[in-house]
Amino acid sequence: QTVVTQEPSFSVSPGGTVTLTCGLTSGSVSTSYYPSWYQQTPGQAPRTLMYSTNTRSSGVPDRFSGSILGNKAALTITGAQADDESDYYCVLYMRGGISVFGGGTKLTVL
Amino acid sequence: QVQLQESGPGLVKVSETLSLTCAVSGYSISSGYYWGWIRQPPGKGLEWIGVQSLYYSGNTYYNPSLKSRVTISIDRSQDQVSLKLNSVTAADTAVYYCARRDIAKRFDLWGQGTLVTVSS
Repeated sequence: QTVVTQEPSFSVSPGGTVTLTCGLTSGSVSTSYYPSWYQQTPGQAPRTLMYSTNTRSSGVPDRFSGSILGNKAALTITGAQADDESDYYCVLYMRGGISVFGGGTKLTVL
Repeated sequence: QVQLQESGPGLVKVSETLSLTCAVSGYSISSGYYWGWIRQPPGKGLEWIGVQSLYYSGNTYYNPSLKSRVTISIDRSQDQVSLKLNSVTAADTAVYYCARRDIAKRFDLWGQGTLVTVSS
């Protein structure tokens, strides 16, 4: 069974840049997987940040960007702010209509 | 404004069936999209459960790891989507979210979530 991988945790300084990745235990991520990204703070439902690899959802600041880097999908935050401290999840769309979440990355801004 | 609201028992006994309902307001559920469920055990990550669409010919897709125990169905007359998960164990304790999946495969709309605890 293919597993979607994410870094368990990451740390970034305020104003800094961080890139979170989303990979597969077998194979490479491409745009055909329709990578999407979600931000979740404690006690809240997830918020959609990015979809179809690099399209920002409505209201998402342009300091968030999406891409394919090598064999993974990536979410880059440029000029990190304190309120970017959250859990970030990627989702890949698999053959057969199945969506698979990554394990999530806990981002600390300090 | 389209909204999703989950409801159902907050406590279910081991080996019984977990049943939840998601009420969709502001949109006719049979007009488009896939509608389904995602869960999150306390302190853990998100897990996709499955989706169904009346618009796309009743297509239904489930997480392979849950497929044998889960049923998602849509009531078009009530604009509701329901979840049934049978033979539950403590591992099924989670916040259950109702969510909408669009043509770009993103979950663009989420309910607030409801905590279901499985206890003996």
